[in-house]
Amino acid sequence: NAGVMQNPRHLVRRRGQEARLRCSPMKGHSHVYWYRQLPEEGLKFMVYLQKENIIDESGMPKERFSAEFPKEGPSILRIQQVVRGDSAAYFCASSPSVPANTGELFFGEGSRLTVL
Amino acid sequence: TQLLEQSPQFLSIQEGENLTVYCNSSSVFSSLQWYRQEPGEGPVLLVTVVTGGEVKKLKRLTFQFGDARKDSSLHITAAQTGDTGLYLCAGADQETSGSRLTFGEGTQLTVNP
Repeated sequence: NAGVMQNPRHLVRRRGQEARLRCSPMKGHSHVYWYRQLPEEGLKFMVYLQKENIIDESGMPKERFSAEFPKEGPSILRIQQVVRGDSAAYFCASSPSVPANTGELFFGEGSRLTVL
Repeated sequence: TQLLEQSPQFLSIQEGENLTVYCNSSSVFSSLQWYRQEPGEGPVLLVTVVTGGEVKKLKRLTFQFGDARKDSSLHITAAQTGDTGLYLCAGADQETSGSRLTFGEGTQLTVNP
């Protein structure tokens, strides 16, 4: 899982600011997933992307959150006008070009967002 | 909505003891994974089970998938302090072919020397 690179590892924002979290998948992986982990809770699915396409965004909040995975460059999870409830660890995961039905994912080390 | 319930939520044992962690659901999953997560890090995949009734062993860890593919267990023999961590089970949705995992809330294991 060391191959999935996330940055920043820690991000502090004031209420109302924007947060941008970046994720570079493992080499050879073209499927990216974002999960959120609130304190004392398990991971919750947010969005699944392939290059230039959002495949499943059923876990994304309807407002202020967006994600992209451009043809070139990392995947970006963007949170506009952050609120304290957005404070969490955001994990990116990737899977190979043809994901197996087993759903195995390789996770990055996460980006920890703190909203003051 | 699929849910996975893990038990116990917290477990503190002495080195050398055995333990079992459970992961239960009313839903059927196409596969189930177990991850271990340490503080400040991302989850690391331990094993994937796919077939109902399947048993997999990884050194001192034994994983079992229920016959109906709704539940799983993780058994650790002769626990060591290095086994300390958060153990998460995650189920792959049959309909989405594994593109979306449902995670349990985890079992926090502490192995004391």
